[in-house]
Amino acid sequence: QLQLQESGSGLVKPSETLSLTCTVSGGSISSSSHYWGWIRQPPGKGLEWIGYIFYTGGTQYNASLKTRVTISVDTSKNQFSLKLASVTAADTAVYYCTRRRVTGSASWDYWGQGSLVTVFS
Amino acid sequence: QSVLTQPPSVSGAPGQRITISCTGSSSNIGANYDVHWYQQFPGTAPKLLIYNINNRPSGVPDRFSGSKSGTSASLAITGLQAEDEADYHCQSYDSSLSGVVFGGGTRLTVL
Repeated sequence: QLQLQESGSGLVKPSETLSLTCTVSGGSISSSSHYWGWIRQPPGKGLEWIGYIFYTGGTQYNASLKTRVTISVDTSKNQFSLKLASVTAADTAVYYCTRRRVTGSASWDYWGQGSLVTVFS
Repeated sequence: QSVLTQPPSVSGAPGQRITISCTGSSSNIGANYDVHWYQQFPGTAPKLLIYNINNRPSGVPDRFSGSKSGTSASLAITGLQAEDEADYHCQSYDSSLSGVVFGGGTRLTVL
């Protein structure tokens, strides 16, 4: 059974860089059939797509976050990572790592449990 | 402000049928992009409920169904049960934004 697990700092100061890693188990991140993505949810609010990556390193980002976001992949560790620069209080959210198929459906079928990141001075 | 519009809340009695709407525009749902629905219980990650408008992943009861018409989509739940009380989110793709878009989520209360 595929599992995704987020890890990283839960507290980040304003203007600094948020860093999270997603470890994939029960399957290979080097799948040609899947994208690996990040989605966040501010407290009490809806979901916001951040971006996704293919195992070869190709990425797509939310245009509203593009100047601050970097998603990378480490196939040797079966992990992918998120960096969000110059954070503000508006970036406080639960961050989920997710998976979707390349073809057939653009839905996110596997999710990590989520990691709460608080921007706090 | 979410690109897709959902009612903040809906409610229904056990056994009833409810629907949750997801209203978009000509650059997302109206452009024939698929709509997907997620169910989320408090403190947990969303779970895929319906994909590609009206397809259920394995294990999802057939009480849940989806539909689409024009620039809107709907999630229907029949035979409402107390365990259905959760938040529901719709998702699609927007060609103007060149990205994935979500609705603001709907809280379902079973009376």
